Amino acid sequence: QKEVEQNSGPLSVPEGAIASLNCTYSDRGSQSFFWYRQYSGKSPELIMSIYSNGDKEDGRFTAQLNKASQYVSLLIRDSQPSDSATYLCAVTVSGTYKYIFGTGTRLKVLA
Amino acid sequence: NAGVTQTPKFQVLKTGQSMTLQCAQDMNHNSMYWYRQDPGMGLRLIYYSASEGTTDKGEVPNGYNVSRLNKREFSLRLESAAPSQTSVYFCASSDPAGLNQPQHFGDGTRLSIL
Repeated sequence: QKEVEQNSGPLSVPEGAIASLNCTYSDRGSQSFFWYRQYSGKSPELIMSIYSNGDKEDGRFTAQLNKASQYVSLLIRDSQPSDSATYLCAVTVSGTYKYIFGTGTRLKVLA
Repeated sequence: NAGVTQTPKFQVLKTGQSMTLQCAQDMNHNSMYWYRQDPGMGLRLIYYSASEGTTDKGEVPNGYNVSRLNKREFSLRLESAAPSQTSVYFCASSDPAGLNQPQHFGDGTRLSIL
């Protein structure tokens, strides 16, 4: 059974701080990794994709991948109250067209 | 640009009734997926279609059937609805050529079974 694990939170950070969200996965063959943001009552929205080890930056967001440790993280710099949402980590299942999602980390940015 | 469109957005059914959830995408994606999302459970894959003409079971297929009508459309059918199928249903599509590309989601269908 392939798994993706995230701390459910809530993770509370003050406005302007760095929020750090973590995700571990069990499938060593996974090739593609994604972070989605989901506001309450809405559908998941893609924030970042990462495919190789290291960091990938896009605006205030940085995704980090370490395949040896089977670990993916998302850093949000200068956190804003509008970043308050649930963040879902998703990983592809090797040899298939399937994706597995973690249960999500709820982030609260306090003004 | 519509992306992934799901209908209906809300539905209330009685136990034992049947219904079909519709999904269409206009991004020319090969793969389409149906998920359900329950509190504390995350997104769980019900069925998926890797390409037109193929369908496969996901993690929680019992009580559901699917049809990949053409490249654009992928429907999910509940033959005899049960209260345990009360959930939010999301359709997604992606184009997994080479490295798997991200999924794009519809707005969801909120389904209540009484």
